[in-house]
Amino acid sequence: SSELTQDPAVSVALGQTVRISCQGDSLRTYYASWYQQKPGQAPVLVNYGENNRPSGIPDRFSGSSSGNTASLTITGAQAEDEADYYCNSRDSSPNPYVVFGGGTKLTVL
Amino acid sequence: QLQLQESGPGLVKPSETLSLTCTVSGGSISTSDYYWGWIRQPPGKGLEWIGSIFYSGSTNYNPSLRSRVTMSVDTSKNQFSLRLSSVTAADTAFYYCARHTFCRGASCYTFDIWGQGTTVTVSS
Repeated sequence: SSELTQDPAVSVALGQTVRISCQGDSLRTYYASWYQQKPGQAPVLVNYGENNRPSGIPDRFSGSSSGNTASLTITGAQAEDEADYYCNSRDSSPNPYVVFGGGTKLTVL
Repeated sequence: QLQLQESGPGLVKPSETLSLTCTVSGGSISTSDYYWGWIRQPPGKGLEWIGSIFYSGSTNYNPSLRSRVTMSVDTSKNQFSLRLSSVTAADTAFYYCARHTFCRGASCYTFDIWGQGTTVTVSS
């Protein structure tokens, strides 16, 4: 089972703001990275660290963290934002390894 | 720019060993700034990290797969490889290779460049 927990599905009206969350003990110490995956495509990094976006990612994607929860906020969701979103970070053990959340299916209504 | 490309058999028989190679182009695999990882995604399911390797050959594997996973790197060919032994139908998945960071302060294991992926089916 994943050490990072995500809601399976979230929906948002076109143009509105949506927050996708990721919970885990390790997130009290470490930031999450966020990936967008559209059907039939490889994941794409959209946010990482304190709130960093790779080149080419729209500024409507922002990241934040509080306690054991990391969040990806999409401000003014667009139809093309409909996708699966995954968080990842490290686990909380002394011998660190990579963990992914189970993913959130975002529907733009 | 840097690109990754997976290659290998698309069909593997149960109990046999799955072997995949990731070829890195547009940059060197011999960098001290990144690890090189394998991630898989069963049909309709989420992402699962399999393991990662540094250009020196140092590895880090998912504890749940550690007993069956071997990764290697060939810096002369700019490639790294995955071997997963004793496969079953549960290993049927899309397999991705990707580049990721170390832990840099509180920011850990960011996968910034991914290959297109390759599908592997385990079936007799």
